[in-house]
Amino acid sequence: DTAVSQTPKYLVTQMGNDKSIKCEQNLGHDTMYWYKQDSKKFLKIMFSYNNKELIINETVPNRFSPKSPDKAHLNLHINSLELGDSAVYFCASRWGGSTDTQYFGPGTRLTVL
Amino acid sequence: GENVEQHPSTLSVQEGDSAVIKCTYSDSASNYFPWYKQELGKGPQLIIDIRSNVGEKKDQRIAVTLNKTAKHFSLHITETQPEDSAVYFCAPHEGAQKLVFGQGTRLTINP
Repeated sequence: DTAVSQTPKYLVTQMGNDKSIKCEQNLGHDTMYWYKQDSKKFLKIMFSYNNKELIINETVPNRFSPKSPDKAHLNLHINSLELGDSAVYFCASRWGGSTDTQYFGPGTRLTVL
Repeated sequence: GENVEQHPSTLSVQEGDSAVIKCTYSDSASNYFPWYKQELGKGPQLIIDIRSNVGEKKDQRIAVTLNKTAKHFSLHITETQPEDSAVYFCAPHEGAQKLVFGQGTRLTINP
């Protein structure tokens, strides 16, 4: 009965590779997010989708491309991985209609070697 | 954009004592003031929030107080327990589309 799930939980890869992280929510929410948390625990928003439409795109390199095939899924594809991409990536969701609460997934720890 | 600062960055208290974390923000348009708790290896989770038309809100051992004039709000945890050990984030904002998090406060409860 997981609300927001992410796969994989851990991802170790070499520089230059391309990888994807998947996110799914079963809460019926219409808005989904990707956040990046660095080694100092700073949490920063990257993208937000509402009803499959991109509404927030922070100053993220265009190597990062989110894709929302439907309201319940928001995937993150990263091309040409760099050492600085190492971080924990969190997906979150929210019902845009009547609540401000965001529900976070468990995170994906990405390590680029 | 919103500038958010949390203090202290680390806090260590004895079990049973109280803990207070303060969040200062810059955007006077902010009208929603949540606190998130992040346990080790997990995603942040909302623990309490307050809106700008309320000065204080309490939920069992945790409370949030807001001073809109001074643009700060605080998280208060009383009778602390080991399970309160975590990183706490504030995220004041106007509208919920975009959360701007403070830098986090690592709270350690010593038995």
